[in-house]
Amino acid sequence: QTVVTQEPSLTVSPGGTVTLTCGSSTGAVTSSSYSNWFQKKPGQAPRALIYTTSNRHSWTPARFSGSLLGDKAALTLSDVQPEDEAEYYCLLYFGAAVIFGGGTKLTVL
Amino acid sequence: QVQLQESGPGLVKPSETLSLTCTVSGGSLRGYYWGWVRQPPGKGLEWIGYVYYPASMGSISNNYGFSLKTRATISLDRSNNRFSLEVRSVTAADTAFYYCTRRSGRTFDHWGQGALVTVSS
Repeated sequence: QTVVTQEPSLTVSPGGTVTLTCGSSTGAVTSSSYSNWFQKKPGQAPRALIYTTSNRHSWTPARFSGSLLGDKAALTLSDVQPEDEAEYYCLLYFGAAVIFGGGTKLTVL
Repeated sequence: QVQLQESGPGLVKPSETLSLTCTVSGGSLRGYYWGWVRQPPGKGLEWIGYVYYPASMGSISNNYGFSLKTRATISLDRSNNRFSLEVRSVTAADTAFYYCTRRSGRTFDHWGQGALVTVSS
């Protein structure tokens, strides 16, 4: 069974920059993985941030950017704000199927 | 503006069937994928599956995640602009927040607010 891996937790200072990564047990994540990133806060529905590797939604702040970094997908947050404290989930496509990563708990401290 | 809203029983007995409905307002079902995601308490997001309703000629199709593949069914109710999830033979491990979502192209852009379903006798 395919596993999508993320860092369990990361800590960043306000105003700083942090990169979250998303890997696949089947091999390198590529543009054909169509990686998506979601923000999840307690009591709220997931909010889509990034799709197809690097595309922002109209509501996604410019400080969020997506990319491929080596053999993984990456989400970089620049000028981190206190309200960015949340869980972040990546999602990868495997043909018709999709799989979520285990999530990264981002603490802003 | 498309909006999704989950509805259904918040409590289901073990071994019974969990049934949820997602009502779509502000847009058509046609041309999109309609899916379900769940999050057990204290755990991560888990993909359940989707139903695809083609924009033009073509068949409605389904795809399910590995963990619920044999117990879940997602179906469309086109006359009422909604879609549904059934999970059979539930156990306490199926206790979770269940979210419905719309996939447009390769993005899941719209989500319901979520419904907590507890499996308990």
